[in-house]
Amino acid sequence: QLQLQESGPGLVKPSETLSLTCSVSGGSISSSSYYWGWIRQPPGKGLEWIGSIYYSGSTYYNPSLMSRVTISVDTSKNQFSLKLNSVTAADTAVHYCARHVGGVTYPFDYWGLGTLVTVSS
Amino acid sequence: QSVLTQPPSASGTPGQRVTISCSGSSSNIGINTVNWYQHLPRTAPKLLIYSNDQRPSGVPDRFSGSKSGTSASLAISGLQSEDEADYYCASWDDSLIGWVFGGGTKLTVL
Repeated sequence: QLQLQESGPGLVKPSETLSLTCSVSGGSISSSSYYWGWIRQPPGKGLEWIGSIYYSGSTYYNPSLMSRVTISVDTSKNQFSLKLNSVTAADTAVHYCARHVGGVTYPFDYWGLGTLVTVSS
Repeated sequence: QSVLTQPPSASGTPGQRVTISCSGSSSNIGINTVNWYQHLPRTAPKLLIYSNDQRPSGVPDRFSGSKSGTSASLAISGLQSEDEADYYCASWDDSLIGWVFGGGTKLTVL
């Protein structure tokens, strides 16, 4: 059974960089069939797609976050990561990592449980 | 403000049928398929409906989806207390070149 788990600091200071890692178990991130993505949910609000990556490094980003986001993949560790720089309180959210059913235009079928990142001094 | 529009809330009594709407545009729902997620508090979102009307293995047939033009609907029949959750629609947007979600609908089982 595929499992995804987010990890990283739960508290980030304003103007600094949010960094999270998604560890994948029960399957290979290098599979040629799947993209992998990040989604966030601010408190009391809806889901927002952040971006997605293929094992080759090909990425798609939400245009509203593109200038601040970097998603990378480490196939040797079966992980992919999210970096969001210049964060503000508006970036406080539960962050989920997930797998697309197939290519980037396919929905997400496996999700992590999510991790809350709070931006505060 | 979400790209896809959903009602913020819906409700029904056990056994009833409820529907949740999702409105989009020609760049998302109008030309791409719609997916629905069920999100219970403190759990991972669950893919409920994909490709407008397909259910993943394990999803009861009480859940059904449909799409017409730039709108879609999720229907839940035989409502049960465990259906109380937040429901989100999602679609790929060809103009934004990315995924767009609805704002979510909180379903209350009275």
